[in-house]
Amino acid sequence: DIQMTQSPSTLSASVGDRVTITCRASQSVSIWLAWYQQKPGKAPNLLISKASSLESGVPSRFSGSGSGTEFTLTISSLQPDDFATYYCQQYNSYWTFGQGTKVEIK
Amino acid sequence: EVQLVESGGGLIQPGGSLRLSCAASGFTVSSNYMSWVRQAPGKGLEWVSVFYTGGGTYYADSVKGRFTISRDNSKNTLYLQMNSLRAEDTAVYYCAREWGKAWGQGTLVTVSS
Repeated sequence: DIQMTQSPSTLSASVGDRVTITCRASQSVSIWLAWYQQKPGKAPNLLISKASSLESGVPSRFSGSGSGTEFTLTISSLQPDDFATYYCQQYNSYWTFGQGTKVEIK
Repeated sequence: EVQLVESGGGLIQPGGSLRLSCAASGFTVSSNYMSWVRQAPGKGLEWVSVFYTGGGTYYADSVKGRFTISRDNSKNTLYLQMNSLRAEDTAVYYCAREWGKAWGQGTLVTVSS
């Protein structure tokens, strides 16, 4: 089974900050990596698929990079609506999620 | 418009059974691979099962032998039959299309005596 390790688990930041979240896979998942945003009581919302493809309607301040086993999600300028929990997900072999990163207000 | 609507959750005693449904609209379930994902209260996301377009089905080790995924093409609906339920199965259950490009709103399953 492929394990996904996401870091940090919690991130305190201010509006306007540049934020980076990292996800590592226990073996190569090629580019089959997605990023989600989830707010309390809501379903996850797909932000990025295929490691770096921004989904329609997602603000351009979100970007993804990486391939193989190392991936990053970057928010270039944190906005009030971005305080949420973020998950990475590999879909190369079934699915595995990272443990999540909660982005909190500093 | 693509929509997924889960139903069938509720309170069930340990050892009991429950069947969840995921009604799809705006696309054809049989032409997409469909998955179930769960989220225990205050915890992260856990993949549960997948139904591939070719008919192959796969399960997480935590539910293998107890849960069964199926679909009804005539109703454009995905199901999850859950047997021998345990307290640790308590979670919100989501269905999702393909690699996650659409999700339902979730249905809560609570296993408790």
